[in-house]
Amino acid sequence: QQQVKQSPQSLIVQKGGISIINCAYENTAFDYFPWYQQFPGKGPALLIAIRPDVSEKKEGRFTISFNKSAKQFSLHIMDSQPGDSATYFCAADHSGGYQKVTFGTGTKLQVIP
Amino acid sequence: EAQVTQNPRYLITVTGKKLTVTCSQNMNHEYMSWYRQDPGLGLRQIYYSMNVEVTDKGDVPEGYKVSRKEKRNFPLILESPSPNQTSLYFCASRPPFADEQFFGPGTRLTVL
Repeated sequence: QQQVKQSPQSLIVQKGGISIINCAYENTAFDYFPWYQQFPGKGPALLIAIRPDVSEKKEGRFTISFNKSAKQFSLHIMDSQPGDSATYFCAADHSGGYQKVTFGTGTKLQVIP
Repeated sequence: EAQVTQNPRYLITVTGKKLTVTCSQNMNHEYMSWYRQDPGLGLRQIYYSMNVEVTDKGDVPEGYKVSRKEKRNFPLILESPSPNQTSLYFCASRPPFADEQFFGPGTRLTVL
């Protein structure tokens, strides 16, 4: 029933390296694709988001790449830092909407010094 | 401070004993939602509400009830909890015509 597939489940990256997390969705009705970051003991918080009318969005060290035809999007974390160690969730949503939201299964990122 | 609050934060209960997890937001948001988080399954939506007295099922509504009598509150009710409802629960809210959801701190529920 999972409509958003996320990989990998866990990821270990050296400090300064690039972290890449991938998501794929099925329902083309989704038009808002956020990434949420969750630290242990906390609720998820919005990190960065994209709409399908653009192929890439960058905010600081975080970039979303979006491939509408393949129904895939990915999060790239450049120059990964130990403070980026967290669980990351992608989601497929409806912009400004009052509808169901579907999240991916999460990726636990560990950035080692 | 603008926030989503949940109570209790931790709860251990026994099978069949009715419980309510409260959720409250002070941001005048219309959209509110409940999720459960389980290892390997991510966040799964249980119920969501578009406004007072308007609710709809998410992906995993079985065994749960909700009500939305006031805009600020969205309690989650487990009338007969079972061990498979042991999970970490999050409430979230979203402003009208906006995209970002604001999550509460979570409630860890254990059903024995």
